[in-house]
Amino acid sequence: EAQVTQNPRYLITVTGKKLTVTCSQNMNHEYMSWYRQDPGLGLRQIYYSMNVEVTDKGDVPEGYKVSRKEKRNFPLILESPSPNQTSLYFCASTAGGYPHNEQFFGPGTRLTVL
Amino acid sequence: QKEVEQDPGPLSVPEGAIVSLNCTYSNSAFQYFMWYRQYSRKGPELLMYTYSSGNKEDGRFTAQVDKSSKYISLFIRDSQPSDSATYLCAMSVDDKIIFGKGTRLHILP
Repeated sequence: EAQVTQNPRYLITVTGKKLTVTCSQNMNHEYMSWYRQDPGLGLRQIYYSMNVEVTDKGDVPEGYKVSRKEKRNFPLILESPSPNQTSLYFCASTAGGYPHNEQFFGPGTRLTVL
Repeated sequence: QKEVEQDPGPLSVPEGAIVSLNCTYSNSAFQYFMWYRQYSRKGPELLMYTYSSGNKEDGRFTAQVDKSSKYISLFIRDSQPSDSATYLCAMSVDDKIIFGKGTRLHILP
């Protein structure tokens, strides 16, 4: 089944404790992206990758890191999480190198930073 | 002015009504225009996609783009309770994509 998977789905952590949210897709898509979704602010792009070893900042990259060593994986790293990073996070992948093609979203990761 | 503006609603309409959802934008460089639907506790899914001014129809859904006015719309005909969701407009140019905040839609049986 073609899908984007994210782990964990739910995470409660404390300020300053490094964490990684994994994202994996099995569709051989070039473009992958991380978003956060907050009430009243909508869906905002954090980082994106147009292909392996190519990453770039989205609209809200502060406090986050990403890497793209393999085509299928695009982990999101929070080196020192803070409460303002409490949010619902979505990973997405797209065929081709651009976001205007259909984006397939993962199920979301709900993160709470205390 | 934000690049993409979308009324968050909620918008409540009776079943069978025609629904009109809208977004405005300020960046004339946007080339592609999309509508995503998001059900509660799910990720968004693509509904419609267009890159030119005019109308595009897919079943009960019609996407309309007016580049001169920087205005896009999504019309839903014969609305059903299963259409109750949040609808997000999105616009992109090259490798950049911006989503609207989403409009919550309730279709009342």
